[in-house]
Formats: sequence, structure tokens, C-alpha cells
Amino acid sequence: GQNIDQPTEMTATEGAIVQINCTYQTSGFNGLFWYQQHAGEAPTFLSYNVLDGLEEKGRFSSFLSRSKGYSYLLLKELQMKDSASYLCAVMDSNYQLIWGAGTKLIIKP
Amino acid sequence: DGGITQSPKYLFRKEGQNVTLSCEQNLNHDAMYWYRQDPGQGLRLIYYSQIVNDFQKGDIAEGYSVSREKKESFPLTVTSAQKNPTAFYLCASSIAEGLGFDEQFFGPGTRLTVL
Repeated sequence: GQNIDQPTEMTATEGAIVQINCTYQTSGFNGLFWYQQHAGEAPTFLSYNVLDGLEEKGRFSSFLSRSKGYSYLLLKELQMKDSASYLCAVMDSNYQLIWGAGTKLIIKP
Repeated sequence: DGGITQSPKYLFRKEGQNVTLSCEQNLNHDAMYWYRQDPGQGLRLIYYSQIVNDFQKGDIAEGYSVSREKKESFPLTVTSAQKNPTAFYLCASSIAEGLGFDEQFFGPGTRLTVL
């Protein structure tokens, strides 16, 4: 079966750096997405990786290793507004998105 | 402004009643999707449509039905056959399927509670 694993919850301090990991086992691979979802709201797109390596976008970076079936989302200079759930999703060989359960990130002052 | 709208935000229904959730987009996207989100679980695909008058079942289509009569609209009906309908329902759209990078844009969601 297809599986996406992420930690359920993480806590970090305002101004610090946090890394949210995602491991996957899917039928094929056509890219990995990270979305942010505030409680009770719609997910919004953060990043996309299809080749190995690091993609940087402001305070957020995302890394992919296809051989290891592994990705992480790195958030720098954490702000209180970064408190949200972070969803990892993989596009499989049928171009369907397989979603992880999400990681709830709690930011403390 | 382009975007996706879902209505209503909150919906209450009695057990045994069918209910229809609205989803409209003005992004001119071909593909539209319905997901269900439950606490502690990832988004699960109910139905998707790549073109008008055509749609496919997702992983959990039982107890649900959809139509795609217009490009802009993709309503979801939760029927009385759905065993556990209380959930947060999200509609999404994207430019096309099968092109690798295909960002999905989400509506604000409808929280359905069946009493």
C-alpha cells in the first residue's frame, strides 16, 4: 500500500528553526508537495520538489531525497503565525496526490 | 479575484437526509476534486473530475455522488448511505492532471455535522 509518515505534533520557540520530516512509500513518484493549513481553514501551497536537493523560498525550504523516500520542510525565524498543520503529499504514478496526516506545529513565545 | 468558494461554511443535517455541498471556481481550471478530512488523518479523495460531464471515483466514493455539468461547478451530495458523514469537506481545483507540478487550490471547506 501507499503510505506517508509525518510526526503528529511538534513544538518550537518563536525565532528558532524547526524541521518537519516526511517519509513516503508510494506507487511511483511525480513530485512531493508541502501545504500549510491553519485550523479550520483551507490548505495553501508552500513548495514542490521533484528532483533531489533543496528548494528555498524565503523563510521556508524543502528538501527531497528520492532514493531514501524522504523529505523535510525547514522553517526559519519562526513567527507565531507559523502555528499551523503542515501537510506532506506525494503525487504517485497515476498523478494522484497521496496525503500524509499532517504535522501540527505549535509555536511558543 | 479568482478563487474557489464553498457553501455553506457549517451545515447540520439529520441522519438519513441527503445533503448537497456547493463548490464553485472561477480560476478556469479543468480539474476539480472533493476531499474529506477527519481528525488525525490525511485528506482522502472522494471524487475528481478532469473535464465537464466526466468524473471518477476516488478512494472513498461510497455514499457520495457528484455532477460536473459546468466547468465552474462541482457539487457533492452526501447520501444517507454514507455511514459516517460528519467531517470537514474540502473542494479543490487545478489546471490539469498528469503534468507533474499541478498545484491544487482549495476552497474554505464545509464542516458537515449529522445529528
